[in-house]
Amino acid sequence: DIQMTQSPSSLSASVGDRVTITCQASQDISNYLNWYQQKPGKAPKLLIYTASNLEAGVPSRFSGSGSGTDFIFTISSLQPEDIATYYCQQYDNLPLTFGGGTKVEIK
Amino acid sequence: QVQLQESGPGLVKPSGTLSLTCAVSGVSISSANWWSWVRQSPGKGLEWIGEIYHSGSTNYNPSLKSRVTVSVDKSKKQFYLKLTSVASADTAVYYCASRYGWKYLLWGQGTLVTVSS
Repeated sequence: DIQMTQSPSSLSASVGDRVTITCQASQDISNYLNWYQQKPGKAPKLLIYTASNLEAGVPSRFSGSGSGTDFIFTISSLQPEDIATYYCQQYDNLPLTFGGGTKVEIK
Repeated sequence: QVQLQESGPGLVKPSGTLSLTCAVSGVSISSANWWSWVRQSPGKGLEWIGEIYHSGSTNYNPSLKSRVTVSVDKSKKQFYLKLTSVASADTAVYYCASRYGWKYLLWGQGTLVTVSS
């Protein structure tokens, strides 16, 4: 299985701050990576697909980059409604695997 | 309205079988989607369990493959999860989800299944 390692596991930032989350794959996955947002008690929601493509209807403050084994997810200006846990997920190989998640809180 | 809805027992005894149903509405179950199950243990991350295509083709997580069956009933617009020989480690919120290509755009609301005597 491809292991996905996210860091940090949690972070606290102020409204308006730039937030960066990293995701590292245990092997080269090209750009076969998605990012999801999960709010408490809710199902995950797709934000970014194929490493850097913004899903329709998702605010442009969310972005993704990277390829190979190292990926970055960015919130350019943190908003109160962005409080959630964020997960990366690879689809280069089955089984599909997710990172451990990054919980984002407001300072 | 496009929707997935899980149903099934919320409590299963250890060594028993967990059985869940996902009802599909607003989209054809014979469309080009893979119908999947994903679980999330309390306070933990997401684990992909397995999936089925309307043709009956399946993919499973090797870590669960010996215990998992995913099936579909196109006439009822439902797909199913069966997990045998459950233990406390199988306690989780179980989501049904649909992927088109490699995007999971449609999810159920999740159902908590507790394994306990």
